[in-house]
Amino acid sequence: DTEVTQTPKHLVMGMTNKKSLKCEQHMGHRAMYWYKQKAKKPPELMFVYSYEKLSINESVPSRFSPECPNSSLLNLHLHALQPEDSALYLCASSQDAGRRERGTDTQYFGPGTRLTVL
Amino acid sequence: GQNIDQPTEMTATEGAIVQINCTYQTSGFNGLFWYQQHAGEAPTFLSYNVLDGLEEKGRFSSFLSRSKGYSYLLLKELQMKDSASYLCAVKKVRQSNYQLIWGAGTKLIIKP
Repeated sequence: DTEVTQTPKHLVMGMTNKKSLKCEQHMGHRAMYWYKQKAKKPPELMFVYSYEKLSINESVPSRFSPECPNSSLLNLHLHALQPEDSALYLCASSQDAGRRERGTDTQYFGPGTRLTVL
Repeated sequence: GQNIDQPTEMTATEGAIVQINCTYQTSGFNGLFWYQQHAGEAPTFLSYNVLDGLEEKGRFSSFLSRSKGYSYLLLKELQMKDSASYLCAVKKVRQSNYQLIWGAGTKLIIKP
């Protein structure tokens, strides 16, 4: 089973709203990732959690706030977003996050949340 | 710096073979992934190469030459459902983790 689930599938929000994106995996993976993807562009890394600790933050604006309540769950809290933040937000997980260099540590992606900020 | 290049778009005929190339320049190389992404959907893992040579998986094969900074994805017996974007991504160790450095993707159009 290589399933990563994300909710909601679609989200429309105003610039003053607060919302959260959720991601879940039950593969026992210890690394989880948030990506942002604009149309016709590759995924752009936002955050990496490794063993439930934030290990990489790609200088993401503070209006995006990640949270990892446990090893299976990853949230992304959104507040005061801008229209240019509209994108597909992808969650991914991998068995590890690079501690075993010889491993593939394949990242498996969830279906994404299509976010529109009005 | 780091740089990954792929053709922007390719067209092929149903039933034929197509090769999608990827060249990269990066320090800390630790493997290369190929993902398939249909429009509006998430990337799906296709293959991973860390050693030189060819990895075959059904209709899809992936090749890596680390000395040349070069990989290709070979798709045989093309089907209409293979119309998608194909992204190569280099695995790069960073601090005690790793990250993927993504190419811009190659949009593959399959014609009947």
